[in-house]
Amino acid sequence: GEDVEQSLFLSVREGDSSVINCTYTDSSSTYLYWYKQEPGAGLQLLTYIFSNMDMKQDQRLTVLLNKKDKHLSLRIADTQTGDSAIYFCAESYGNNRLAFGKGNQVVVIP
Amino acid sequence: DTAVSQTPKYLVTQMGNDKSIKCEQNLGHDTMYWYKQDSKKFLKIMFSYNNKELIINETVPNRFSPKSPDKAHLNLHINSLELGDSAVYFCASSQMTAGAFFGQGTRLTVV
Repeated sequence: GEDVEQSLFLSVREGDSSVINCTYTDSSSTYLYWYKQEPGAGLQLLTYIFSNMDMKQDQRLTVLLNKKDKHLSLRIADTQTGDSAIYFCAESYGNNRLAFGKGNQVVVIP
Repeated sequence: DTAVSQTPKYLVTQMGNDKSIKCEQNLGHDTMYWYKQDSKKFLKIMFSYNNKELIINETVPNRFSPKSPDKAHLNLHINSLELGDSAVYFCASSQMTAGAFFGQGTRLTVV
């Protein structure tokens, strides 16, 4: 099946930028997504990128896609304490199902 | 207004019991899903329904039976609960490929 890899933990100081990386396997994925999960909460769709794009910027969020290397990254500018959460990347495949990475825990230090 | 709502939020039950989780979406989406998140936070799809029709069933034990009475609802019934069923179950809905919207999750604990 599809395999999405993420590193596990990142700590960052408030105000700095944080970058979360992800690799995926299905080159036919049309869309790739970033989700945020705060403790005890559901998954919040943060942003997504169409596979024919290299970059997408949405306020403090920048998504970079390297389709050749099947590498996706999420940069959060001016990281705030409210950004502390687990971030999941996901790729879509067959019948719009999502394959998720293992998640990356981001801890923002005030 | 809550877009995808599922009930209950917490469910504690004994092994061997049968339980149901309900999900409703008011987004007008055609497709609904059940995902399972284990203790290591790993998320995996279980089922997908499109306009009340089952389209994905991912190697899930047949003790799990989804039911979609209409395209806004997708319920999950679990028979003969086992300790290993303890997890957080998320309902989600989507329209085409615009990303899935998730409910708040149901934390199921089997004791």
